[in-house]
Amino acid sequence: QKEVEQNSGPLSVPEGAIASLNCTYSDRGSQSFFWYRQYSGKSPELIMFIYSNGDKEDGRFTAQLNKASQYVSLLIRDSQPSDSATYLCACYPGFQKLVFGTGTRLLVSP
Amino acid sequence: DAGVIQSPRHEVTEMGQEVTLRCKPISGHDYLFWYRQTMMRGLELLIYFNNNVPIDDSGMPEDRFSAKMPNASFSTLKIQPSEPRDSAVYFCASSRTGVGHQPQHFGDGTRLSIL
Repeated sequence: QKEVEQNSGPLSVPEGAIASLNCTYSDRGSQSFFWYRQYSGKSPELIMFIYSNGDKEDGRFTAQLNKASQYVSLLIRDSQPSDSATYLCACYPGFQKLVFGTGTRLLVSP
Repeated sequence: DAGVIQSPRHEVTEMGQEVTLRCKPISGHDYLFWYRQTMMRGLELLIYFNNNVPIDDSGMPEDRFSAKMPNASFSTLKIQPSEPRDSAVYFCASSRTGVGHQPQHFGDGTRLSIL
């Protein structure tokens, strides 16, 4: 079992809709969680991180964390074609090491 | 500020050859990480340095892989001899402090193809 699981997708949504990206993790000791966006052929770039249970909002992005269920999600409101990318979920179980999922590909159609 | 700089961007070489990948972290960042990304396994941490000292190399797949950081502004990842299964995108990343509460900044990566 991978430590961080993501559906590979693609997740297809129309422009203006809400995209919901999900991630589960196996290490209950994980302390913080990160969402990175990676455009094709490019490097990952950090979108958001979250430590506490609940929601964290930043512009069109909302990260949600449920430690009891070991579940992290990223909501993208008013999705734009420019949001089309692969979204990587990462957890931090400690020792300066991030564990990444394999990513979910998001396609936003005009 | 300049970001993390990696070279070369692309490398194509034949099996058995030595490959050296280079990385210049962001100035002032104390941590440097080397990752490998493949479709099957995603992004995997190979090794990381703190203040130029290798801390954890448990992700290095075999003895054919080695990494050094002779100073705060330069690191290398070497594969000798290279094999086709080493083909992947290799990323270098740096962070100011520990990764638990600080973002990692990634370089543009080196796309490595071993024929």
